[in-house]
Amino acid sequence: QITLKESGPTLVNPTQTLTLTCSFSGFSVTTSGVGVGWIRQPPGKALEWLALIYWDDDKRYSPSLKSRLTITKDTSKNQVVLTMTNMDPVDTATYYCAHRTQQRLVFGYWGQGTLVTVSS
Amino acid sequence: DIVMTQSPDSLAVSLGERATINCKSSQSVLHSSNNRNYLAWYQQKPGQPPKLLIYWASTRESGVPDRFSGSGSGTDFTLTITSLQAEDVAVYYCHQYYSSPLTFGQGTRLEIK
Repeated sequence: QITLKESGPTLVNPTQTLTLTCSFSGFSVTTSGVGVGWIRQPPGKALEWLALIYWDDDKRYSPSLKSRLTITKDTSKNQVVLTMTNMDPVDTATYYCAHRTQQRLVFGYWGQGTLVTVSS
Repeated sequence: DIVMTQSPDSLAVSLGERATINCKSSQSVLHSSNNRNYLAWYQQKPGQPPKLLIYWASTRESGVPDRFSGSGSGTDFTLTITSLQAEDVAVYYCHQYYSSPLTFGQGTRLEIK
């Protein structure tokens, strides 16, 4: 059974760096073809893909946010970490991590999400 | 970037009736090498993460009721829910995974009439 769970601060100040952790079980990010992605959703708005990391450490970023994002994985802890620098109130959103494979290429399993508010 | 545009933005359908949601991509998401459309549909209920319903435009995810179906090719796609149930009230998103950046439609809110 695949499960994912996001964790991190619920409130960050403008200009600060956000660090979110995705802890997962039921799969390994060392297995060929497996990936974990991050997607966010501002309150009442649509989904926006942010970043993706694969089993072989291949990393992909949204071009519009690439300069602010870093995605890494810790295979020993079954975690994927996303950092986003220079946070702004417009970055207020629910942040989701999700499981993806290079076979199906869709996000088949999602965490419950974590709401991050950017405010001073 | 491939822009995904859904129509309508909201929809009210009577219980037991058919609901149809459209999605148009700004460029084709049909891959010529395998003849697959890189298009998925998600359902999101309030306070929940999105749930995968359909991928490759028409392949139903395991466990998804067969009243949900996807169709279309190239740039025009449709999600159809036959015989709407109360539990189908949600926001539905289309999603292209043909090219990076991955993009989603703006969502269609489905309600009961």
